[in-house]
Amino acid sequence: DAGVIQSPRHEVTEMGQEVTLRCKPISGHNSLFWYRQTMMRGLELLIYFNNNVPIDDSGMPEDRFSAKMPNASFSTLKIQPSEPRDSAVYFCASSFDRYHGYTFGSGTRLTVV
Amino acid sequence: AQTVTQSQPEMSVQEAETVTLSCTYDTSESNYYLFWYKQPPSRQMILVIRQEAYKQQNATENRFSVNFQKAAKSFSLKISDSQLGDTAMYFCAFNAGNNRKLIWGLGTSLAVNP
Repeated sequence: DAGVIQSPRHEVTEMGQEVTLRCKPISGHNSLFWYRQTMMRGLELLIYFNNNVPIDDSGMPEDRFSAKMPNASFSTLKIQPSEPRDSAVYFCASSFDRYHGYTFGSGTRLTVV
Repeated sequence: AQTVTQSQPEMSVQEAETVTLSCTYDTSESNYYLFWYKQPPSRQMILVIRQEAYKQQNATENRFSVNFQKAAKSFSLKISDSQLGDTAMYFCAFNAGNNRKLIWGLGTSLAVNP
């Protein structure tokens, strides 16, 4: 298994542009999580899906952020318009039960200038 | 509220020595799962060890072991024979209730010195 695959690994964009981050979870995992990590706030859960359905999006900072999971093998996190304060590392993780915890992707480092 | 506290923001240890990272948590649930993750400079989040709350026996994975004290709500991580590759941020987390959300601590930055 290739693990959780995120793309791109790095993204530099100008303020106001749309940014789309992508994630492919591990096959058979039915929960998917999007996290943001910064030095100031640590790891923040943005949203999580169970069986492709958003269960908890209370961590999505504002309407500029949206996430979709059209099928079991793909999810996107979109920021439109992006702002410099969105600069962070964004992680996707997946799981198939509570016991095994999460498997994380390698993250996307987003820089908004 | 469910919380995780890692009281040591930074620690250091000499190579080959043993170090213990502390973690306390709070939950009213009786069944839950506890985890330690490491994040080396590569930023990849890696599961180190897990513990089921209803198991009294402490989990062990090679040089990594935990001291789980359920009554005290404590879940410390011991790293034996520390290696340079153990240099990383270590996060304690747990999952309780009927969902898959993990509650995370703020992490302990561990430096292993040669």
